[in-house]
Amino acid sequence: AQRVTQPEKLLSVFKGAPVELKCNYSYSGSPELFWYVQYSRQRLQLLLRHISRESIKGFTADLNKGETSFHLKKPFAQEEDSAMYYCALQETSGSRLTFGEGTQLTVNP
Amino acid sequence: DAGITQSPRYKITETGRQVTLMCHQTWSHSYMFWYRQDLGHGLRLIYYSAAADITDKGEVPDGYVVSRSKTENFPLTLESATRSQTSVYFCASLRGLEQFFGPGTRLTVL
Repeated sequence: AQRVTQPEKLLSVFKGAPVELKCNYSYSGSPELFWYVQYSRQRLQLLLRHISRESIKGFTADLNKGETSFHLKKPFAQEEDSAMYYCALQETSGSRLTFGEGTQLTVNP
Repeated sequence: DAGITQSPRYKITETGRQVTLMCHQTWSHSYMFWYRQDLGHGLRLIYYSAAADITDKGEVPDGYVVSRSKTENFPLTLESATRSQTSVYFCASLRGLEQFFGPGTRLTVL
């Protein structure tokens, strides 16, 4: 069965510092990977997906199949980045998402 | 464009009572999902539905029942609520590879 692990439940950085939220997965096939974000008092929403290879709000994530990781990175954190971040995996031919436990990011002024 | 809505937003109930959480979407997405969000567990899938009258169990289905008679509605029922079902419940629908989430229902079982 697939599994997603986010080792850091809490992460605190200062504004302008680089930030990396870790995500590791286990899945026998070729997964689709996503980062979802939940800002305070807002709905959970898609931040980015690995197949798009895009940068959203300055965040990027690279799929490393060798290390089975999909870490989320931003070179200069902003206070508005403070939120709960979830890494999620979707099976190759399915619709279900398996979420990690989440990382609460706090960016201090 | 209302999108996806949930009701009630907050609910307090007692152990043993039946509770139904409602989920409605205006997009006619085929797939819909119910998750619960708990500290230390992230989001866990309770049930999902591929279309009207097609439902399937997720990771944590025990104690829950779902139905989907219409594409736009996907209610979740706790047949006999327990304290361990105190949680925040999220409904979602799928378009392409992206899931769209409702605002959540915070349920407290006393």
